[in-house]
Amino acid sequence: GAGVSQSPRYKVAKRGQDVALRCDPISGHVSLFWYQQALGQGPEFLTYFQNEAQLDKSGLPSDRFFAERPEGSVSTLKIQRTQQEDSAVYLCASSSSRGYEETQYFGPGTRLLVL
Amino acid sequence: RKEVEQDPGPFNVPEGATVAFNCTYSNSASQSFFWYRQDCRKEPKLLMSVYSSGNEDGRFTAQLNRASQYISLLIRDSKLSDSATYLCVVNPGGYNKLIFGAGTRLAVHP
Repeated sequence: GAGVSQSPRYKVAKRGQDVALRCDPISGHVSLFWYQQALGQGPEFLTYFQNEAQLDKSGLPSDRFFAERPEGSVSTLKIQRTQQEDSAVYLCASSSSRGYEETQYFGPGTRLLVL
Repeated sequence: RKEVEQDPGPFNVPEGATVAFNCTYSNSASQSFFWYRQDCRKEPKLLMSVYSSGNEDGRFTAQLNRASQYISLLIRDSKLSDSATYLCVVNPGGYNKLIFGAGTRLAVHP
């Protein structure tokens, strides 16, 4: 079956531009996560959705970052007024339930470069 | 101090070698533990879960020591295809948020 998909795969933005990154989780998956991976580092948690509810946004680095999942399936991560330090790979992951033993399946990521 | 710390690597080993990666975590209440593999410019993929009793999957053996808050991964008979970054991952509990280490890069050469 189809895995997690993300679009665009690559995004180049000028500093100050707004960007929107899309995640299509595996169909029926309840939990959806966004992570940010800087070069040479492991992924870092940004935010978590259970269905349409955003239950944890403690990892969002600033109020320029906003995520939504209005119908409990597709999610969008929006970054306003992008800065160079926002350059990273943004990974989306989904899992079938909220249990801590559930495997998270990652999408291929969106590589964002802010010039 | 980072929540999950790993040997930074890189580890350069010949084919057939045995290599061990170590990882420590700071949150003693952590619930579950994993090793993920990440190939260059690809997404992380689950390699194996880690249990206190130790678990083995073919050439890979993972071990957890809760008292020392220490996790290990042993790879025997290394293959060229094992070349990747290995991420130590901890779930602190609750709803399945994952905390990743920075990763250890492994390069297996002929």
